[in-house]
Amino acid sequence: EADIYQTPRYLVIGTGKKITLECSQTMGHDKMYWYQQDPGMELHLIHYSYGVNSTEKGDLSSESTVSRIRTEHFPLTLESARPSHTSQYLCASGWGNYEQYFGPGTRLTVT
Amino acid sequence: AQRVTQPEKLLSVFKGAPVELKCNYSYSGSPELFWYVQYSRQRLQLLLRHISRESIKGFTADLNKGETSFHLKKPFAQEEDSAMYYCALGGSSNTGKLIFGQGTTLQVKP
Repeated sequence: EADIYQTPRYLVIGTGKKITLECSQTMGHDKMYWYQQDPGMELHLIHYSYGVNSTEKGDLSSESTVSRIRTEHFPLTLESARPSHTSQYLCASGWGNYEQYFGPGTRLTVT
Repeated sequence: AQRVTQPEKLLSVFKGAPVELKCNYSYSGSPELFWYVQYSRQRLQLLLRHISRESIKGFTADLNKGETSFHLKKPFAQEEDSAMYYCALGGSSNTGKLIFGQGTTLQVKP
């Protein structure tokens, strides 16, 4: 079934650890996005990709990095996690005209 | 600058009452506007978009370019409408990027 997947769903990790949040979609979309969302707050775009080997930073500055080696895969990496990175991270994908399909999210807590 | 404003963080109504969730935008070009909804413990999903002029789950939204608004309306609220609603603006080139408002929590009381 066509869907968008995020793992892990929940992650509690200590300061200084390197983490990778996984996002995969089987919908055949060319565009993919990462948002950061604090509870009950707006979504902020932190990274997006038009296609393979294409990544851009979003509107909110983030210390994370992304890669797009395969169309269906768009992982987000934090080299050294800090408590300020505690948030929910949402991955989305879509075609050209703005309709985006969202994954279930990863709730990250850095202690 | 492109911006989306949802002035109400929380809107609480009784079942059967009319609902209007406000959304104002700032954009110099031709905007594309959307409403997304997130029910409890579910993913964020598209509710409706202005270009399709459709009604989904009894909700409608009309783009008013003069007032730069895209308010979401429903004549009779149901308890299952309780959720977080986000207004979103697209329009910058073909990036597909969306700018989201702060969100409004709709609480429909029995």
